[in-house]
Amino acid sequence: DAGVIQSPRHEVTEMGQEVTLRCKPISGHNSLFWYRQTMMRGLELLIYFNNNVPIDDSGMPEDRFSAKMPNASFSTLKIQPSEPRDSAVYFCASSSLTGANGELFFGEGSRLTVL
Amino acid sequence: TQLLEQSPQFLSIQEGENLTVYCNSSSVFSSLQWYRQEPGEGPVLLVTVVTGGEVKKLKRLTFQFGDARKDSSLHITAAQTGDTGLYLCAGALKTSYDKVIFGPGTSLSVIP
Repeated sequence: DAGVIQSPRHEVTEMGQEVTLRCKPISGHNSLFWYRQTMMRGLELLIYFNNNVPIDDSGMPEDRFSAKMPNASFSTLKIQPSEPRDSAVYFCASSSLTGANGELFFGEGSRLTVL
Repeated sequence: TQLLEQSPQFLSIQEGENLTVYCNSSSVFSSLQWYRQEPGEGPVLLVTVVTGGEVKKLKRLTFQFGDARKDSSLHITAAQTGDTGLYLCAGALKTSYDKVIFGPGTSLSVIP
């Protein structure tokens, strides 16, 4: 079975450019999470969706960040304009969470470098 | 402000030694999970604990959830080089939808 699929795996871009990260969750999972990981701040929750609806976006750093989930099999995280401090590994995770015991399945991450 | 704290931040031990890492919070969690992450990969679930005082064993790993559901520990017996990695605790906050947040992690290095 395919796991969570993220693309691109690596992206290097210049400050000011738009970045779009993509995620395909595991089929049948109804919760989707976007996390950002850095050495300084660890794994931070940016936003999570339940049944395609954004539930909590309080972790989104600022208006430059936006996330969408147009259907159950696809989500995007967009940064516009990008800045060097956005450099990090961005993880998408999905879960069939129906209670408090759900396991998060992570993708391999998208490593973003903003020059 | 970190809702979940982990200690130690870094740990380097010899193969065969025992170790314990801790996860603490002032918040009560409906469940707590431990994940292990290797370089270049996403975290992978090791265990979920949901009942205060619960103890779970996974081969040489023993996990405990505090009675008040605010803290947890992971004990590894006779560490092996394959145990090397980043150990992350994660808690599900009791809201109408469970929000899963992670601690900063403990980076474990087991030396042959």
